[in-house]
Amino acid sequence: GDSVTQMEGPVTLSEEAFLTINCTYTATGYPSLFWYVQYPGEGLQLLLKATKADDKGSNKGFEATYRKETTSFHLEKGSVQVSDSAVYFCALSDWGAQKLVFGQGTRLTINP
Amino acid sequence: DAGVIQSPRHEVTEMGQEVTLRCKPISGHDYLFWYRQTMMRGLELLIYFNNNVPIDDSGMPEDRFSAKMPNASFSTLKIQPSEPRDSAVYFCASSPPSGGSMYEQYFGPGTRLTVT
Repeated sequence: GDSVTQMEGPVTLSEEAFLTINCTYTATGYPSLFWYVQYPGEGLQLLLKATKADDKGSNKGFEATYRKETTSFHLEKGSVQVSDSAVYFCALSDWGAQKLVFGQGTRLTINP
Repeated sequence: DAGVIQSPRHEVTEMGQEVTLRCKPISGHDYLFWYRQTMMRGLELLIYFNNNVPIDDSGMPEDRFSAKMPNASFSTLKIQPSEPRDSAVYFCASSPPSGGSMYEQYFGPGTRLTVT
């Protein structure tokens, strides 16, 4: 079945550091890919998405590129802020399927 | 729009009691999802509905769990009887019709359930 694997957390960085959170997937079809973010005490919210190979999703300084050849969708940000501290989830939705398959989440802490 | 609304936000109950969690999806969304989040198991999809009809309940852990969606603006998740291992944060999410936002889901704030 479909699955998503994220890098192990937690991840702790200093403000203005470069961020990469790795995500790889396994899917039977041609999925859409997503990054969701969960701030403390809140529900998940969509951060960015990509629907086909080589698409780049971007939002709030975060970027991720849909790489079909490596089945990856790594999240990057050039300069993180304390306010980026949250749990980040990679997810996929296979073509024709409405439900999302989530990775296990990566907790990110940014220190000032 | 107010977003997905869940109630209560926090629930503390004793083992064996019935618990009912409530969700109001975003108006116009025709998909509704119930998730459970724990440290050990992460985020798990329990069940989802399309146009008020349950589509996939394969994630419902056992017969103690049941979910209903009597109309487009309301859904419940019931646990009877509750057990300490049901303690978790339960999220409701809704999604617009397929082809709208490419399956983006909008999550509520969650209900934190503690069963003692």
